[in-house]
Amino acid sequence: SAVISQKPSRDICQRGTSLTIQCQVDSQVTMMFWYRQQPGQSLTLIATANQGSEATYESGFVIDKFPISRPNLTFSTLTVSNMSPEDSSIYLCSVTPRGSRDYGYTFGSGTRLTVV
Amino acid sequence: SQQGEEDPQALSIQEGENATMNCSYKTSINNLQWYRQNSGRGLVHLILIRSNEREKHSGRLRVTLDTSKKSSSLLITASRAADTASYFCATDGTGGTSYGKLTFGQGTILTVHP
Repeated sequence: SAVISQKPSRDICQRGTSLTIQCQVDSQVTMMFWYRQQPGQSLTLIATANQGSEATYESGFVIDKFPISRPNLTFSTLTVSNMSPEDSSIYLCSVTPRGSRDYGYTFGSGTRLTVV
Repeated sequence: SQQGEEDPQALSIQEGENATMNCSYKTSINNLQWYRQNSGRGLVHLILIRSNEREKHSGRLRVTLDTSKKSSSLLITASRAADTASYFCATDGTGGTSYGKLTFGQGTILTVHP
């Protein structure tokens, strides 16, 4: 299975600023996914990042707030813009298994964001 | 919106006991997966069961799937303190556009006391 390096692992940011989270995969993958996990909650899909096209956002998430880049098949970034305390969450990237839908997906180690 | 619901929300047991967690979902699925999360970190894939399977084993894990009831259960046998974590079920929906878009349950916090 793929190995994902996600950075930073945690950050404390001032409201009104932006943070960019990076995910580097050790192999080429077609699709990457970004999830948000609010405190004490489950994971919610933010968007799907495809190389060579704009990201596809889920209901409730917009590009202006969560711009995503996917410059190649091994890398993606998620930016949390104009942050407020409500953005304090764990953000995770994920990739699908190679070759078959019968294997579990791989997740990054997460970025714990605290907005003050 | 979150599709899955899990129960119990929290489970506290002694080492050596078995732990059972349940998950329900609402729509058709391609497969159902279970993940573990330690201390709010990344998710680790535990086991996957396809929609045409009813039971699957992996080491101390046993998962069942009842598509008629849209429910699944995860059994961890002979639990260890190291099993202490949050456990999430996640469904992978049918249809090509849903590929990779997992829908997660609310999770069960498992605490195993030494």
